[in-house]
Amino acid sequence: KNEVEQSPQNLTAQEGEFITINCSYSVGISALHWLQQHPGGGIVSLFMLSSGKKKHGRLIATINIQEKHSSLHITASHPRDSAVYICAVIHTGNQFYFGTGTSLTVIP
Amino acid sequence: DAGVIQSPRHEVTEMGQEVTLRCKPISGHNSLFWYRQTMMRGLELLIYFNNNVPIDDSGMPEDRFSAKMPNASFSTLKIQPSEPRDSAVYFCASSLVGLSYEQYFGPGTRLTVT
Repeated sequence: KNEVEQSPQNLTAQEGEFITINCSYSVGISALHWLQQHPGGGIVSLFMLSSGKKKHGRLIATINIQEKHSSLHITASHPRDSAVYICAVIHTGNQFYFGTGTSLTVIP
Repeated sequence: DAGVIQSPRHEVTEMGQEVTLRCKPISGHNSLFWYRQTMMRGLELLIYFNNNVPIDDSGMPEDRFSAKMPNASFSTLKIQPSEPRDSAVYFCASSLVGLSYEQYFGPGTRLTVT
């Protein structure tokens, strides 16, 4: 059983579309990370959340602690957003659990 | 700042050889993390340090793996002896303090054990 489930696994969108990636988890957490991994392999931390909502440019991340769910939204998607997006949660026991990632392709 | 620096970027070695991966965290960051990424298992946290002290090494797969952080600006991950199943990309990351702060990742070391 995976402690962190992401959906969808793969997503193809037209440039300009609004995109949502979901992350559900089954353990109590102290924080949740959204990571972006580019086709070249580099990993960038997008957000670290423990409650509420954060926004950075066209990216928005929300978390609902009661429902054990987080979403990553991309507004006005662009081909450069094509990447794998990974959800990772920090268990209250200080263990790190990773989702398997969502592969996003944005077509011009 | 140059960001997190890892070396080498690529390593190809034969089974049974010792492999040492190196990491220089961002100056001023007090926490350092070693990750492994494979197609089968995805991203896994191997070990992390706070103030040069190993806090949690429960992700280290077996005794063949060891990690050290002799000072705030340098860490190593050693595999001895290496096996083909150790082939993966190994990432190092650093943060200001602990797991609940934004982490900055290095470019990774792609290890191939033949």
